[in-house]
Amino acid sequence: NAGVTQTPKFQVLKTGQSMTLQCAQDMNHEYMSWYRQDPGMGLRLIHYSVGAGITDQGEVPNGYNVSRSTTEDFPLRLLSAAPSQTSVYFCASSYSRYDEQFFGPGTRLTVL
Amino acid sequence: AQSVTQPDIHITVSEGASLELRCNYSYGATPYLFWYVQSPGQGLQLLLKYFSGDTLVQGIKGFEAEFKRSQSSFNLRKPSVHWSDAAEYFCAVGPKFLRFGAGTRLTVKP
Repeated sequence: NAGVTQTPKFQVLKTGQSMTLQCAQDMNHEYMSWYRQDPGMGLRLIHYSVGAGITDQGEVPNGYNVSRSTTEDFPLRLLSAAPSQTSVYFCASSYSRYDEQFFGPGTRLTVL
Repeated sequence: AQSVTQPDIHITVSEGASLELRCNYSYGATPYLFWYVQSPGQGLQLLLKYFSGDTLVQGIKGFEAEFKRSQSSFNLRKPSVHWSDAAEYFCAVGPKFLRFGAGTRLTVKP
């Protein structure tokens, strides 16, 4: 099993550009989530999904969109990137919100 | 609303010494509590979790944590630290979704 995979590993954007961070898992997990990690702030939840077709907002959802059309994939979209979105982004998955979350390796995003 | 505080930003211990990392939470009902570890440049790995039952929880790599409801705490302990334990440690509280503390960076002196 590959576990949780994220692409790309690194990305540089200009302000106003859009992009999609990809996340996939092959563990048949229902629960998937996106976090951003900033120095001194730990991880903060952006969006999460409890199953295909169901998504909800976390602590810091503004500026990000998600969709969940399949169990395996949970892409995160930045519609108009801002410098405040410079961060490391982690995708995670688990059987349910109460179970251990398995984290991907992260995507380091810089917005100029 | 649930919240987590890790009072220590950075801790340095000597190899072989004991370790305690502090975590305080705020949550109205019985919380779901987790400790994760992050090595440099890596994702997070679960060390242990508490949902209910025995308040002393054993985890991987020789770590344990004790849930104290009266103190709203879930401190992580290890009796003898190894150089490979140097990492950043995060406490998190659920259950609606995980809210993480800011983390404690552990440095291990030889």
